[in-house]
This record gives sequence, C-alpha cells and structure tokens, in this order.
Amino acid sequence: EAGVTQFPSHSVIEKGQTVTLRCDPISGHDNLYWYRRVMGKEIKFLLHFVKESKQDESGMPNNRFLAERTGGTYSTLKVQPAELEDSGVYFCASSQIAGGPPRYFGPGTRLTVL
Amino acid sequence: TQLLEQSPQFLSIQEGENLTVYCNSSSVFSSLQWYRQEPGEGPVLLVTVVTGGEVKKLKRLTFQFGDARKDSSLHITAAQPGDTGLYLCAGAHSGGSNYKLTFGKGTLLTVNP
Repeated sequence: EAGVTQFPSHSVIEKGQTVTLRCDPISGHDNLYWYRRVMGKEIKFLLHFVKESKQDESGMPNNRFLAERTGGTYSTLKVQPAELEDSGVYFCASSQIAGGPPRYFGPGTRLTVL
Repeated sequence: TQLLEQSPQFLSIQEGENLTVYCNSSSVFSSLQWYRQEPGEGPVLLVTVVTGGEVKKLKRLTFQFGDARKDSSLHITAAQPGDTGLYLCAGAHSGGSNYKLTFGKGTLLTVNP
C-alpha cells in the first residue's frame, strides 16, 4: 500500500509568485490534514479535510493560502502570492479515523521563497 | 501560546547506551503523541498516551505521560543505529481536536555504531 505522497519535494520560487503543492493521501482515507514547519519553528496545523469538505481551516495563516480537495481524493495547497515568511516544509497527513492524531505524514514539500 | 519544550535538542550516543528525552509544558494536554521522523520522510506516529501517569512500551522504547498531563518522557534502552531520527512530541489540547496538535521542535538523536 502506498503511503502519503507529496509533490514536488522541493520548490524554489521568488516572492510574489504562485506555488501549488499537491498531496495524495493513502487510498481510502477520508481525513486529510495539512501542516507546515517554518524555519526554526515547530510543526503547526493548517487545515483538515473530510472527503472534499473543509472541516477545520483555523490554522491557515491568511487568505494567500487556498486549499482544495476536489472529489475527495488528492488535495492541493496554493500560495498566492508567496512571501518570504512562507518558506518552510509543508506536510500532508491522512487517516481513516476522524478526530484522532494523524498517523502517517507525507515526506513534505520544502518551499523556499527568495 | 501553549508550548512544548523538548530536551535535549541534540543527542549523539554510542550503540548500546540508554537515553531519555523529555517533553515539557506548562499546559495540560488531553493526549500526548510521540513521532519519529527520519531524513527525507514525514513523521510517523509511535504512540499516544492519554492518562496521567500512563506508561507504554514499544519494544525498547518506553513512553511515560506525567501525572499532571503536562509532560512526557521517552526512554530508549540499548539504542541501535536504526533508532536514529528526529523525535517529536505533540500534544492535543483539552476540549480541542486531536489533530490540532502542538508540536515540540524535536530531539535529533544520532546513534553511532
């Protein structure tokens, strides 16, 4: 069984550009989560999907971030326009069981905004 | 802001040694998770503890939740090179959702053969 996969593994963009990160959860997992770790800080929660619905987006930092999960399968996280402080590692996680801590995270996308 | 302080930040030991890493907070958590992250991969959940004073064992790893549910420790017996990785603790807030975790910054463990 494939784990949580994320694409790209690395992205380097300039301030003001747009970047879209993709997450493919484990097959059959309705719950999908986005987290990020900015440089020197701890991992923080961004949002939670149940199937295609945003269950909780209280961790999204501002309206430059847009997450979607059309069809309830893979999810995308778009940052537009990117700012320097958006640099960090963006993790996706998925689980079958709602409400519990995520068990498996993807390898992350390392985003560098210059 | 509820913080989880992990110590030590870095730990380098020889194969066969024992070690303990700590996770401390001034806040009470409803549950405490420990994850291990290996280079190039995402964190993997090792254990969840929910009851004050609870002890869980996973082979050579022993996890303990503090009586007041504010702190936790991870003890590894006879460490092996395969234990190398970043150990993260993450707490779930009382009354909140268990996926909205407060993470510590982690302890980077290196076990030398």
